[in-house]
Amino acid sequence: DQQVKQNSPSLSVQEGRISILNCDYTNSMFDYFLWYKKYPAEGPTFLISISSIKDKNEDGRFTVFLNKSAKHLSLHIVPSQPGDSAVYFCAASAGANNLFFGTGTRLTVIP
Amino acid sequence: EAGVAQSPRYKIIEKRQSVAFWCNPISGHATLYWYQQILGQGPKLLIQFQNNGVVDDSQLPKDRFSAERLKGVDSTLKIQPAKLEDSAVYLCASSLGDEQFFGPGTRLTVL
Repeated sequence: DQQVKQNSPSLSVQEGRISILNCDYTNSMFDYFLWYKKYPAEGPTFLISISSIKDKNEDGRFTVFLNKSAKHLSLHIVPSQPGDSAVYFCAASAGANNLFFGTGTRLTVIP
Repeated sequence: EAGVAQSPRYKIIEKRQSVAFWCNPISGHATLYWYQQILGQGPKLLIQFQNNGVVDDSQLPKDRFSAERLKGVDSTLKIQPAKLEDSAVYLCASSLGDEQFFGPGTRLTVL
């Protein structure tokens, strides 16, 4: 049973435009959400997180939005750069550090 | 700061053979995780250690998988005997707080 879902396996965006990656979850006990970025042949690297007490967290070009009522979060990257091309994983946890990951979205930023 | 180290990076074995993976976490990180990432899916937690004790191994197939972290630092994950469906990338991660830091993974191919 997939508790964290990323329904778009891939996304292509022009350089300089906004990239929006979406994630849905089913477990209402999740209280901490993270985005990881993964390049080929490397492990995932932490990008940005948000606690359930917030609805927005911003770090430079990256902003994560959380809509608890819809059990939905999104990652906005603006402006998108070619170096942002990677697979992005959404993850969630409930209290403990056990993370549940989505299936990933492959972002391609076209120069 | 050195990252999470894993070896080997790649391993090819035949079904029913045994295999072992090694992980050296970031110095001082008490929590260590092993994840299995099957192609096209997100990482799935196999086991979580806090120092040398097991916190969560509910998704570890204990009939063939075993893991240990004897001195609370390095860890090994073993599969015996391997099945075709064990082909995946095995990721090790460590953490001190909420953020998990991942190693590059070991790609296992079972023929």
